[in-house]
Amino acid sequence: DGGITQSPKYLFRKEGQNVTLSCEQNLNHDAMYWYRQDPGQGLRLIYYSQIVNDFQKGDIAEGYSVSREKKESFPLTVTSAQKNPTAFYLCASSANRGQANYGYTFGSGTRLTVV
Amino acid sequence: AQSVSQHNHHVILSEAASLELGCNYSYGGTVNLFWYVQYPGQHLQLLLKYFSGDPLVKGIKGFEAEFIKSKFSFNLRKPSVQWSDTAEYFCAVRGMFSGGYNKLIFGAGTRLAVHP
Repeated sequence: DGGITQSPKYLFRKEGQNVTLSCEQNLNHDAMYWYRQDPGQGLRLIYYSQIVNDFQKGDIAEGYSVSREKKESFPLTVTSAQKNPTAFYLCASSANRGQANYGYTFGSGTRLTVV
Repeated sequence: AQSVSQHNHHVILSEAASLELGCNYSYGGTVNLFWYVQYPGQHLQLLLKYFSGDPLVKGIKGFEAEFIKSKFSFNLRKPSVQWSDTAEYFCAVRGMFSGGYNKLIFGAGTRLAVHP
């Protein structure tokens, strides 16, 4: 079945460490997105990528970095510069940016806790 | 900057009561509109979406939403809620920006609790 796989489901990180969250999709979608979900704040866009080797900052990109070397993969690195990294992270993908009427598919998320 | 506002952060209803959750957005261009639901411990699921045509759209589980362009609104409604509708509801707006890029922007969410 096609879908988005995020791993790991739970992740613990010590303060000062970088950590990378994985997001893989086999939907042949061009666009991929990373969101952060915090209680009472909804989902906020961190980074997005419309095509391979290209990505754009979202609304809260500080302290995060991404890469898009392959169409299927869009890993997110939470760096030590992110002051409040404990959150639930969701990855999503969608079809060609030039097309209308396309939907989004969401992964099951990674819950990151800084200890 | 583009934004999505959901007016109610928490809503508590009894079963069979009617539901209306407000959503307003700020973006002057062509938009696609969505309502997502997240049941406790589950993934985000699409309830309904509006791209064009009839501004009253029907989704799953008896939900509907009305797009009012002049008010920049996309309110979610259900005539009679059930205990199983207890969840968090997110309004989202997608707009096409320069360069052909688009972003899906979410509201802060509304937590709905339905009591038997």
